Amino acid sequence: KAGVTQTPRYLIKTRGQQVTLSCSPISGHRSVSWYQQTPGQGLQFLFEYFSETQRNKGNFPGRFSGRQFSNSRSEMNVSTLELGDSALYLCASSPEGGSSYNEQFFGPGTRLTVL
Amino acid sequence: GDSVTQMEGPVTLSEEAFLTINCTYTATGYPSLFWYVQYPGEGLQLLLKATKADDKGSNKGFEATYRKETTSFHLEKGSVQVSDSAVYFCALSHYSSNTGKLIFGQGTTLQVKP
Repeated sequence: KAGVTQTPRYLIKTRGQQVTLSCSPISGHRSVSWYQQTPGQGLQFLFEYFSETQRNKGNFPGRFSGRQFSNSRSEMNVSTLELGDSALYLCASSPEGGSSYNEQFFGPGTRLTVL
Repeated sequence: GDSVTQMEGPVTLSEEAFLTINCTYTATGYPSLFWYVQYPGEGLQLLLKATKADDKGSNKGFEATYRKETTSFHLEKGSVQVSDSAVYFCALSHYSSNTGKLIFGQGTTLQVKP
């Protein structure tokens, strides 16, 4: 099976712009979670989607949003970019949401740089 | 709220040395515990996991035991290799909260020298 794919791998944007990142989960996986990784804050949970519904959300401002499509692919959007949004954004999928026993499979991430 | 604390790095070892990376957690109930590894330029890979007290997770020579009495999940390996150089993350999640949310420690960088 193909792994979790994320596009694009690298992005450079300027302050005030918006950006959309895409994640394709492993085939058959219905849960997709997003994480932000920065040197200062480490890995922080953004949100989780399951069957096109946001099931949980981390402590991020409303500028961060996401959605999931019927084929389980997910996108996240960041509006009005700030310098502090520069980070590696990781997407993870799991075969069945709701169980901590299920492994989360991570993609390679999208490296976002805000200038 | 729930949290995970890892020993600060970087940890520098010679090849074939014994490795311990400490991890302690604060959580209500009975979380599942995980160790993930991140190689340069890549995403995270699950290294091992334990879902209940006294469980031992193991993979690729790495081991960790879920100790509820000390709220710990220390990672160990008897003989490290240069290829083990990476960043290691301890994490927890809750079955009861019906979510895929993982809470991570800050990560520990391991550098193994030949």
